[in-house]
Amino acid sequence: AQSVTQLDSQVPVFEEAPVELRCNYSSSVSVYLFWYVQYPNQGLQLLLKYLSGSTLVKGINGFEAEFNKSQTSFHLRKPSVHISDTAEYFCAVSDKSRDDKIIFGKGTRLHILP
Amino acid sequence: DAGVTQSPTHLIKTRGQHVTLRCSPISGHKSVSWYQQVLGQGPQFIFQYYEKEERGRGNFPDRFSARQFPNYSSELNVNALLLGDSALYLCASSLQGSTYNEQFFGPGTRLTVL
Repeated sequence: AQSVTQLDSQVPVFEEAPVELRCNYSSSVSVYLFWYVQYPNQGLQLLLKYLSGSTLVKGINGFEAEFNKSQTSFHLRKPSVHISDTAEYFCAVSDKSRDDKIIFGKGTRLHILP
Repeated sequence: DAGVTQSPTHLIKTRGQHVTLRCSPISGHKSVSWYQQVLGQGPQFIFQYYEKEERGRGNFPDRFSARQFPNYSSELNVNALLLGDSALYLCASSLQGSTYNEQFFGPGTRLTVL
């Protein structure tokens, strides 16, 4: 069965500093990978996705992620965070051969410190 | 363009009651998925419907059921409510059933079971 592990439940970072949110997945098959953001009292918004091809994926709001198949990781990075990035971030995976559902991690809460 | 809409926004029920949650997908989208998000956790997949047929089902008891109508809107029904059913219920729509297609999430319905 597929699963997603987000290694940090909370990440505090100073404004304008870089940040990395870690994500590892377990799957024996080819996968699609996603990062979603959830602002307080809102639904989920897709930040970026890896479907195939280049392992470096660029998304919205200056975020990027790198797919590393050998380490089964898909870490999210941003070179300089802003107060508006305060939110919950979810890493997620979907089996390419049975692509009816997305499996989400437990989330990482990003705290931006002034 | 209107995004995914869900109704009601909030709902309070007592144990043993039944609840119906509604979702209207983005115009032109033929697939609707339902997720349950318990406080402090990532969303968990409940159902996916595509072209009015169930395409996928998660590990939820038979108390949970859903359907999709000819206009592609959807209902999620939960019978015999338990305290543990308290959660944010998210609906997502996409052009087609595969998770290759971006899923757009609604704001959710927050269900509280007393």
